[in-house]
Amino acid sequence: GNSVTQMEGPVTLSEEAFLTINCTYTATGYPSLFWYVQYPGEGLQLLLKATKADDKGSNKGFEATYRKETTSFHLEKGSVQVSDSAVYFCALSGGSGGSNYKLTFGKGTLLTVNP
Amino acid sequence: GAVVSQHPSWVICKSGTSVKIECRSLDFQATTMFWYRQFPKQSLMLMATSNEGSKATYEQGVEKDKFLINHASLTLSTLTVTSAHPEDSSFYICSARGLAGPDTQYFGPGTRLTVL
Repeated sequence: GNSVTQMEGPVTLSEEAFLTINCTYTATGYPSLFWYVQYPGEGLQLLLKATKADDKGSNKGFEATYRKETTSFHLEKGSVQVSDSAVYFCALSGGSGGSNYKLTFGKGTLLTVNP
Repeated sequence: GAVVSQHPSWVICKSGTSVKIECRSLDFQATTMFWYRQFPKQSLMLMATSNEGSKATYEQGVEKDKFLINHASLTLSTLTVTSAHPEDSSFYICSARGLAGPDTQYFGPGTRLTVL
């Protein structure tokens, strides 16, 4: 079956630092890949997604590239802000082992950005 | 747009009682709703998938008689935890899939259940 492994947190950075949160997946076929963000007290929100190999998803300065050769979808941002403090979830759907609407999540990575 | 609400946001109940959690899509019609459970520092685990007007599909290992799901309309799904016990204490999150695409889900803020 499908699975997602993401970097354990928590991650603490200073404002304007570079962010990388690693995410690797196990799936057969060609799953869709996602990053969701959960701000304190709120529900998960879709941050970005990629649906095929070499696609780059981007939003709000965050980027992630679908790397099939390394089965990875690492999240990056060049300069984080205090407002980026949240929990970040990597997820996938579809592929040969799953339906195209069931999401499989990683455990989440708590990011804290200090001023 | 695409807002999903949950009620209540937190609930404390005594062991043996039943608790109902509501999930509503406020500004769109949800063809499918999902219920997840999240333990501290763990990922979201899908419990069941419900389609409006039909029986829910439960994931392996989830007791359907324990976690009753009703999807009576295109904007409302409910999860009832029957005869709750302390081990049912958890964070329950719903999501709704609209017509924007099979892989687009909108999440509610979650409900914290504590069973004493």
